[in-house]
Amino acid sequence: ETGVTQSPTHLIKTRGQQVTLRCSSQSGHNTVSWYQQALGQGPQFIFQYYREEENGRGNFPPRFSGLQFPNYSSELNVNALELDDSALYLCASSSPRGYGYTFGSGTRLTVV
Amino acid sequence: AQSVAQPEDQVNVAEGNPLTVKCTYSVSGNPYLFWYVQYPNRGLQFLLKYITGDNLVKGSYGFEAEFNKSQTSFHLKKPSALVSDSALYFCAVRAANFGNEKLTFGTGTRLTIIP
Repeated sequence: ETGVTQSPTHLIKTRGQQVTLRCSSQSGHNTVSWYQQALGQGPQFIFQYYREEENGRGNFPPRFSGLQFPNYSSELNVNALELDDSALYLCASSSPRGYGYTFGSGTRLTVV
Repeated sequence: AQSVAQPEDQVNVAEGNPLTVKCTYSVSGNPYLFWYVQYPNRGLQFLLKYITGDNLVKGSYGFEAEFNKSQTSFHLKKPSALVSDSALYFCAVRAANFGNEKLTFGTGTRLTIIP
């Protein structure tokens, strides 16, 4: 049973640029969620995808968008990067009904 | 709205002593409750969860947590702390109703085990 894999592990971008983060879900999991963890804080829910559609969104602006593919992998896209977007981005996959969430190791994004 | 409070930013415990990391929650309806641990520059590692059933939940690495509905608490405990337990611990909650699978996390508690 494979876990959740995220790529890249680290990324440095310039303010105003766009970034795409990727996530491969755990085998058997069809729901993917993305979280932003700023330094010294708990993870904050960005959005969730189920059957390739967004079915829940946190308090994040539209420049945060995502995709889920037929194999349940997912992408998080952030446009017009701001300095405050610097954070650890965590992907979590879950089984139907969300009894368990498996998190990836995250992508550390630094915006300069 | 759902929320989690971890009232202690930092908990220090001597090695071999029992440890408790506190968590209280607020959610509409029945809760699903989780504890995760995070090591430096790493993702979240699952420790245990409460979905339904026995209020005392046993998890990984000797940790356990007790669900107390009247006090809306889900404190993490371990009878004898190890230095390797030193890490950042997060409590999380979601509502039990299908379709609302957003996890809400607390701000975390840094646990330091003193040799």
